[in-house]
Amino acid sequence: NAGVTQTPKFQVLKTGQSMTLQCAQDMNHNSMYWYRQDPGMGLRLIYYSASEGTTDKGEVPNGYNVSRLNKREFSLRLESAAPSQTSVYFCASKVRRTGVDEQFFGPGTRLTVL
Amino acid sequence: QKEVEQDPGPLSVPEGAIVSLNCTYSNSAFQYFMWYRQYSRKGPELLMYTYSSGNKEDGRFTAQVDKSSKYISLFIRDSQPSDSATYLCAMSLSGGYNKLIFGAGTRLAVHP
Repeated sequence: NAGVTQTPKFQVLKTGQSMTLQCAQDMNHNSMYWYRQDPGMGLRLIYYSASEGTTDKGEVPNGYNVSRLNKREFSLRLESAAPSQTSVYFCASKVRRTGVDEQFFGPGTRLTVL
Repeated sequence: QKEVEQDPGPLSVPEGAIVSLNCTYSNSAFQYFMWYRQYSRKGPELLMYTYSSGNKEDGRFTAQVDKSSKYISLFIRDSQPSDSATYLCAMSLSGGYNKLIFGAGTRLAVHP
C-alpha cells in the first residue's frame, strides 16, 4: 500500500514551458486534491475532484488545469509556466471517517520556474 | 485578512518543555479543527482533530478549541527532538465539506 505517490519529485522549467505533475492513490478514495505550499502562505487549494469525472476550482486555479483520469489518478498541468508558479506541489486524497474527513498527502513535487 | 492566522515561528525549545501552538480564525462557521504535522521535505500528516469546542487528548498531545474566542491550540507535553516539524492547523465548515483552510504553519525545533 503506497498511499499517495507523486512524480516527479523535482523539476526545473523555463518560463513558458509546460509540464504535467502526476498523482496516484491506491486507497480507493473518491476525493483528490492539488495544493501548492509557499513560505508564509500555508497550503492553498488549486483544484479538487470530489469524485471520478468531476473537478472544481479551488482558491488559486489560474494558470493550471487538471484531469481526473480515473479513480486512482489526478494530474495537474501547467500550460505555460511562470516564475510565480515556483512552489512545492502536494497531491492529497480524502477518506470520510466518523467525525472528520482525513486527507492523506503525497511527498510533494518541488518545482522551480526560471 | 487571512481566514486562518498562525504564527510561523520558528519556535525553539529544549527537550522536555511544554509547547503551545496556536491559530486564530475569522469564520465562526468553522466546525472541524485539525492539526497536521509536516516533517522537512515530506507531506503533511493528520495529527489530531476536534469537532466544535472542547479538548481532546492523545498521549502527549492535547488539542483545544475555543469557539467563543475563535482560537485553537495544540499542546505538546514532554517535547522530544522527534517532534521537530512544522505544525499546520486546518479547519472546515463541516465534515462533508470538501475544502480545508490551512494556517501558514509553525516551525518547531526541539533541541536535546
